[in-house]
Amino acid sequence: QKEVEQNSGPLSVPEGAIASLNCTYSDRGSQSFFWYRQYSGKSPELIMFIYSNGDKEDGRFTAQLNKASQYVSLLIRDSQPSDSATYLCAVASNTGKLIFGQGTTLQVKP
Amino acid sequence: DTGVSQNPRHKITKRGQNVTFRCDPISEHNRLYWYRQTLGQGPEFLTYFQNEAQLEKSRLLSDRFSAERPKGSFSTLEIQRTEQGDSAMYLCASSLNLVAGELFFGEGSRLTVL
Repeated sequence: QKEVEQNSGPLSVPEGAIASLNCTYSDRGSQSFFWYRQYSGKSPELIMFIYSNGDKEDGRFTAQLNKASQYVSLLIRDSQPSDSATYLCAVASNTGKLIFGQGTTLQVKP
Repeated sequence: DTGVSQNPRHKITKRGQNVTFRCDPISEHNRLYWYRQTLGQGPEFLTYFQNEAQLEKSRLLSDRFSAERPKGSFSTLEIQRTEQGDSAMYLCASSLNLVAGELFFGEGSRLTVL
């Protein structure tokens, strides 16, 4: 079992729709969770982090965490073509490293 | 430019040769990470430093890989006796601490082993 699992996609949504990206993790002791965005040919950049169960909103982005189910998600409202990228879920281990999933490719079609 | 800097950006080498990559982190960042990324995959953890101390190295990492951060500033990643399977993008990232989890990535060093 991979430590952090994501559906590789691609996930295709029309412009203006809600995109829902999901991630599961194996270490029940994990406390910190992150979403990075990576445009094609570029390096990852942090877009959100979440530590507590529930929802965290930042503009058009909402991160959701359910530690009991070991599940993290990212919702992107009013999706724009500029949101087309690979979204990487990452989990901080208790040893201090950040473990990434394989990423989900999102395509927002005009 | 005060971002993370990596050199060289591209390296083409023949199988069996040694290669070295350099990373200059953001100056006030005490943590430095090396990741490897291949097409369609997420970044794979290689190793990380806090100041000059190497705190963890991936168990999957071959002994051909070694990293240093001698004065707690820049870091080097050396791959000895390169193999075709080493072809990948090598990403360096730095951070102040992992609680915030904000890693700032460099543009990467792409290695092609012929």
